[in-house]
Amino acid sequence: EPEVTQTPSHQVTQMGQEVILRCVPISNHLYFYWYRQILGQKVEFLVSFYNNEISEKSEIFDDQFSVERPDGSNFTLKIRSTKLEDSAMYFCASSGEGGGNTEAFFGQGTRLTVV
Amino acid sequence: GNSVTQMEGPVTLSEEAFLTINCTYTATGYPSLFWYVQYPGEGLQLLLKATKADDKGSNKGFEATYRKETTSFHLEKGSVQVSDSAVYFCALSETWTGANNLFFGTGTRLTVIP
Repeated sequence: EPEVTQTPSHQVTQMGQEVILRCVPISNHLYFYWYRQILGQKVEFLVSFYNNEISEKSEIFDDQFSVERPDGSNFTLKIRSTKLEDSAMYFCASSGEGGGNTEAFFGQGTRLTVV
Repeated sequence: GNSVTQMEGPVTLSEEAFLTINCTYTATGYPSLFWYVQYPGEGLQLLLKATKADDKGSNKGFEATYRKETTSFHLEKGSVQVSDSAVYFCALSETWTGANNLFFGTGTRLTVIP
């Protein structure tokens, strides 16, 4: 069964460092998303990506964040200069044609720890 | 704005017990409602959904009915199994013309003991 895969499963980084979280969405999907969950809090929408550009983003997704689909298979989230409060579980998701009318498939998450 | 309020956990039940996890929502329009489940070490998986008022979503013995009058979407199962142990997330989405922007609850951890 096709699945969304994320690497690494756990990333530890020092405050101020850049970090790139990687995701391989399901191959024929068109919509890509990042969500995050700070420990004990809600899963929060960060950004959606369609047709090689951001289609929606939340207030959390400020200039420190960027997304890219560099090679047609990977979908990355970059945090330019990490802060302690960026520590969270980051989930990638993808969905097929129909966007919000189709199921979003999630990866297993990357746990980011900023020290 | 849009938000989801979910029953706080953790919930511990014996096998074959009845399960209810409460979920209420606030939305500006006419949302679709979802329950996602996360098994240990895995990603979020769609468990069931309902797209309009009075719809009942069901899967794997779980059910939830979209109640517009009480803005609720409570998850129920008549007889839980040890394999149902997981974290359950209630969510809503109002975007139909583009990206699926989901609003999640905090999640409820369910542990079923033999």
